[in-house]
Amino acid sequence: GENVEQHPSTLSVQEGDSAVIKCTYSDSASNYFPWYKQELGKRPQLIIDIRSNVGEKKDQRIAVTLNKTAKHFSLHITETQPEDSAVYFCAVADASYDKVIFGPGTSLSVIP
Amino acid sequence: DTAVSQTPKYLVTQMGNDKSIKCEQNLGHDTMYWYKQDSKKFLKIMFSYNNKELIINETVPNRFSPKSPDKAHLNLHINSLELGDSAVYFCASSRRLVGGELFFGEGSRLTVL
Repeated sequence: GENVEQHPSTLSVQEGDSAVIKCTYSDSASNYFPWYKQELGKRPQLIIDIRSNVGEKKDQRIAVTLNKTAKHFSLHITETQPEDSAVYFCAVADASYDKVIFGPGTSLSVIP
Repeated sequence: DTAVSQTPKYLVTQMGNDKSIKCEQNLGHDTMYWYKQDSKKFLKIMFSYNNKELIINETVPNRFSPKSPDKAHLNLHINSLELGDSAVYFCASSRRLVGGELFFGEGSRLTVL
């Protein structure tokens, strides 16, 4: 089955700096790659996603890049703010498996 | 209006008891899920239902029994609770089976003593 790894597991950055979280996956048939943000005590919420026919997608301060050949994708957050502090989960979906598999999460702390 | 709602939000119970968590979505989605989030924050899929039909049963012990009376509801019943069942259980829904945004409920924190 699909195996999703995520690095780093924890990340601290100064406010205003950039943060990058990387995910790798094992199944080359996977074709949908969302990122979820979970604030402390809250539910996970989708922040951005990318499909396998696209290499990069941007939404204001967040962007996702996908390298299908290398089977990895990354979340980039620029100009970080304290409210970006949360756990970020990458996920991978494959239509043939009918499910979304989450990575283990990255705890991001933005220091004011 | 809450899109995905689950009750109860907190559940504290003794080992060996049976408990249920209810979930309802008003988004008109066809697919609903149960995810388990353990103390290390791992989010693991347990079940998915599409139009009331079980699609995924992710090797969950058969003490866990989901029930979907209609496509807007997916309940989770757990028999003979064990300490290791302590976790936050999230219900979620999506418009389609794969490749769509998951809308999560607020979570139900289960503590087994």
